[in-house]
Amino acid sequence: GAVVSQHPSWVICKSGTSVKIECRSLDFQATTMFWYRQFPKQSLMLMATSNEGSKATYEQGVEKDKFLINHASLTLSTLTVTSAHPEDSSFYICSARSGREGETQYFGPGTRLLVL
Amino acid sequence: GQNIDQPTEMTATEGAIVQINCTYQTSGFNGLFWYQQHAGEAPTFLSYNVLDGLEEKGRFSSFLSRSKGYSYLLLKELQMKDSASYLCAVLDSNYQLIWGAGTKLIIKP
Repeated sequence: GAVVSQHPSWVICKSGTSVKIECRSLDFQATTMFWYRQFPKQSLMLMATSNEGSKATYEQGVEKDKFLINHASLTLSTLTVTSAHPEDSSFYICSARSGREGETQYFGPGTRLLVL
Repeated sequence: GQNIDQPTEMTATEGAIVQINCTYQTSGFNGLFWYQQHAGEAPTFLSYNVLDGLEEKGRFSSFLSRSKGYSYLLLKELQMKDSASYLCAVLDSNYQLIWGAGTKLIIKP
């Protein structure tokens, strides 16, 4: 299967700071990447869909000014949590769609964010 | 509305067989996925069904009936490492993935 990396895997930051998370497709070009958030013992929640070279499409209830997404190339998408607050503490997971294998989404390992 | 139903939790014994069911009602259908998610980790892809029938992949098999809006994931020769959540997801007519809440599978020795 296709490989997706995510960096960093852990972030601890102070309230009010911004945090950038990178998502890379290592062995394929991903025209579409997805950002999810998952709170403990809850299901995945799609935050936004990111297409290379265009603005991300955000799900209802997700603040686009708070969660900035940049899909700069076919192998890299970034999520920046601006002015993070304790309630933003969560598990953030990206996924990428590999065109050569149809619509299958492959997930990065996730980034655990803790805002103090 | 769009809806994916799967049991919240199941328990099975090491070495046994378990079947995790998933029923769906979505606006259109472009395939059904099963993912495995261990606690604290991201999901990993298990299977994709778009046509009716059974797809076998080692100890894991996935079945789809589009007319019934139904799928199941069959796990054979259960191992302790199979303890995880199993997520059912359907690709709708807009190629959006609709996720089930996941089934937590507990394997007992």
